Amino acid sequence: DIVMTQSPDSLVVSLGERATINCKSSQSVLHSSNNKNYLAWYQQRPGQPPKVLIYWASIRESGVPDRFSGSGSGTDFTLNISSLQAEDVAVYHCQQYNTSPPSFGGGTKVEIK
Amino acid sequence: QVLLVQSGAEVKKPGASVTVSCKASGYSFTSYAMHWVRQAPGQRLEWMGWIDTGNGNTEYSEKFQDRVTITRDTSATTVSMEMSSLRSEDTAVYYCARMATWTQLWLLAHWGQGTLVTVSS
Repeated sequence: DIVMTQSPDSLVVSLGERATINCKSSQSVLHSSNNKNYLAWYQQRPGQPPKVLIYWASIRESGVPDRFSGSGSGTDFTLNISSLQAEDVAVYHCQQYNTSPPSFGGGTKVEIK
Repeated sequence: QVLLVQSGAEVKKPGASVTVSCKASGYSFTSYAMHWVRQAPGQRLEWMGWIDTGNGNTEYSEKFQDRVTITRDTSATTVSMEMSSLRSEDTAVYYCARMATWTQLWLLAHWGQGTLVTVSS
């Protein structure tokens, strides 16, 4: 099974500042047949279910603000929030969906300073 | 729009079984697989299994293979997840989540609101 490791566990950032979250997979999630990384980022606000922000490692889901961006390939990935807003307070999860069983990182809690 | 509405919170005793249902609407029910994911307090999201709502085929995480059964009722556009032999460690919020597309089977594009299952003597 692929193990996903996120860092840091929590992050305190001032409004308008950048937040960076890292995610590492124990095996590559780059699919050889289509050269796509099967890596997604989810946002989970308090008391809510997760919501897809990014898929294919860097494609924003429809309606997601462009301050959210994903990058990386193979085993190392990053989610950036370029200018943190109050509504971005949430836990962020990475997930690999390349092979079964799909697996999630431990989550990163983002708070406002 | 896609809507997944889950059944309400449950309190069960150790050793009992629980069934959580997920009513789907807003799309062609049998065209998209449905997954179940749980989130125990302080733990990461944990994938449990999925069902092909078209033919009823299922796949389960090895961890839950012996205790979880996922079924669907196409006439009611509802997917259910039954877990048996409950223990305290099964206390968690259980989510149904619909796949994105068949080329991204395990990308969970739409989620139910979650059902809290509490296991306590």
